[in-house]
Amino acid sequence: TQLLEQSPQFLSIQEGENLTVYCNSSSVFSSLQWYRQEPGEGPVLLVTVVTGGEVKKLKRLTFQFGDARKDSSLHITAAQPGDTGLYLCAGVTDSWGKLQFGAGTQVVVTP
Amino acid sequence: KAGVTQTPRYLIKTRGQQVTLSCSPISGHRSVSWYQQTPGQGLQFLFEYFSETQRNKGNFPGRFSGRQFSNSRSEMNVSTLELGDSALYLCASSLDRVENNSPLHFGNGTRLTVT
Repeated sequence: TQLLEQSPQFLSIQEGENLTVYCNSSSVFSSLQWYRQEPGEGPVLLVTVVTGGEVKKLKRLTFQFGDARKDSSLHITAAQPGDTGLYLCAGVTDSWGKLQFGAGTQVVVTP
Repeated sequence: KAGVTQTPRYLIKTRGQQVTLSCSPISGHRSVSWYQQTPGQGLQFLFEYFSETQRNKGNFPGRFSGRQFSNSRSEMNVSTLELGDSALYLCASSLDRVENNSPLHFGNGTRLTVT
């Protein structure tokens, strides 16, 4: 059982479309991070959110942290083939003390 | 600034053997974490080392062990290898302990295949 549930598991879209990936848990996070992993490489940090209700933007990527700090979403506007990858959310709680990862959402953007 | 370096990149071992994986963190980073990544289980936390001490441990058997040296470099050892140990082993370094919300910087992993 994953402590962080990510949905959907897989997403295939055309270039120019928008997409949203969700990360949910019953636990309250002290921080939540989003990573992207490409084949043959390790995950690369995209953003860290720490405050409930926080919204961060990274070019065409928008990250939102839920008010209760139990969930997060990643929205990509006008997706490009370079956005293809495995998107992972990861959280730390006071009781865990370690960074736990969700199973990931595989995003494929076709030209 | 050099990133996290893991060696070797690929490894093939047979059941029953033991293996040692190496990780050199980013200069100045004091925390090193290890993860196992498989298609079925995703990224599973193995352990975190900080200042040469194991600070946190995941739910893996005692066959999995590690250590950290005074220069923050870390090694992970798996003894009596089983087929199910085949995975991508990822090392990540951070400035501070993960529980203090310090983000991780990952290496490209060691792909271990057990036959």
